[in-house]
Amino acid sequence: DVKVTQSSRYLVKRTGEKVFLECVQDMDHENMFWYRQDPGLGLRLIYFSYDVKMKEKGDIPEGYSVSREKKERFSLILESASTNQTSMYLCASHGQDGTYEQYFGPGTRLTVT
Amino acid sequence: AQSVTQPDIHITVSEGASLELRCNYSYGATPYLFWYVQSPGQGLQLLLKYFSGDTLVQGIKGFEAEFKRSQSSFNLRKPSVHWSDAAEYFCAVSTDSWGKFQFGAGTQVVVTP
Repeated sequence: DVKVTQSSRYLVKRTGEKVFLECVQDMDHENMFWYRQDPGLGLRLIYFSYDVKMKEKGDIPEGYSVSREKKERFSLILESASTNQTSMYLCASHGQDGTYEQYFGPGTRLTVT
Repeated sequence: AQSVTQPDIHITVSEGASLELRCNYSYGATPYLFWYVQSPGQGLQLLLKYFSGDTLVQGIKGFEAEFKRSQSSFNLRKPSVHWSDAAEYFCAVSTDSWGKFQFGAGTQVVVTP
């Protein structure tokens, strides 16, 4: 079974703090994704990575950066957290087997106060 | 621009009744199509997917979906819902070689006794 884990289920941070959200997958997948989920908006892609040290912007990259130093780990970074980044953050991965099925982690609910 | 529309934000259904969730997409070619379910506090779980071939696809938990090219639709159905089907359901399409997804806004399903 593919397993995607996220470092925290709940996180509370203050405005201006630097925030790291970690995601690890155990299936040797090449592609990894970060989404944010907000009510009424579904999931929106922040960044994705198709290989170690490779990254591409998604639909809403502003205020975020990412890091992928190892194939299994994909980190989302909020350089200076703001209240409008309060959201649920979901990580996903998929392999290059042509199925494009994405496997999701449980999510991190981030609150910025 | 590509888009995915789930017209129903919220659906209430009685236990044992049938359920149909609508999904329409806007894209020039036939994309890869997916339905995911998110139970409260959980990540997303794949219900079913369509790539090509038979336009009626079977998924897990007794769900099925039908692809209709002429209507650009991929509606999800279940003949008889169970209380455990209460969740949020997302339709997603994948349209590029990276396997990036475009998600609909989601449909919240409430099951009443």
